Amino acid sequence: AQKITQTQPGMFVQEKEAVTLDCTYDTSDQSYGLFWYKQPSSGEMIFLIYQGSYDEQNATEGRYSLNFQKARKSANLVISASQLGDSAMYFCAMREDGGFKTIFGAGTRLFVKA
Amino acid sequence: NAGVTQTPKFQVLKTGQSMTLQCAQDMNHEYMSWYRQDPGMGLRLIHYSVGAGITDQGEVPNGYNVSRSTTEDFPLRLLSAAPSQTSVYFCASSYQGAFNLGEKLFFGSGTQLSVL
Repeated sequence: AQKITQTQPGMFVQEKEAVTLDCTYDTSDQSYGLFWYKQPSSGEMIFLIYQGSYDEQNATEGRYSLNFQKARKSANLVISASQLGDSAMYFCAMREDGGFKTIFGAGTRLFVKA
Repeated sequence: NAGVTQTPKFQVLKTGQSMTLQCAQDMNHEYMSWYRQDPGMGLRLIHYSVGAGITDQGEVPNGYNVSRSTTEDFPLRLLSAAPSQTSVYFCASSYQGAFNLGEKLFFGSGTQLSVL
């Protein structure tokens, strides 16, 4: 069964520094997709980045990049040059190929300090 | 574009009452789903649907019913509310026609439900 684990309930980072949010996953499928979503204090869910299991390059979207290590089953989110507006809850999620369900981890709350 | 619309935004129920959370999307998405968000537990999938007339259970389906009579609407029913169902509920949809793994979820704004 698919499972997502985020072991960092909370993280602090200084403004303008980079931060890595950890995500490990478990699946028996060879083909799957990994997602990161952001939830600011307003409560909305915002899609950040996607990585496919067969993608050879790590995904990047602006200041967001995904450090994908398939053998370790990890898909860590890296935020470069943190901004105060990055303070939010961050969720890692996975969808298996041939399945329809997207499963989420417990989330990591990021605090950016000025 | 309205996207995914959830109503109501807030609701207070007494134990044993029933209610329906509404979810509608105008993007012609085949896939729709309901999640509940609880502190420390992330988003947990309650039920999902891959098209009109097709629904299936997620991780935490007990106490909830769904139906999908149209592509646009996917209501979530609580038949007899319990305090354990106090949570924030999100409806989400995505295009699944090509089974593209990279199709992201579009979320509604959430419903904060309290069961006393």
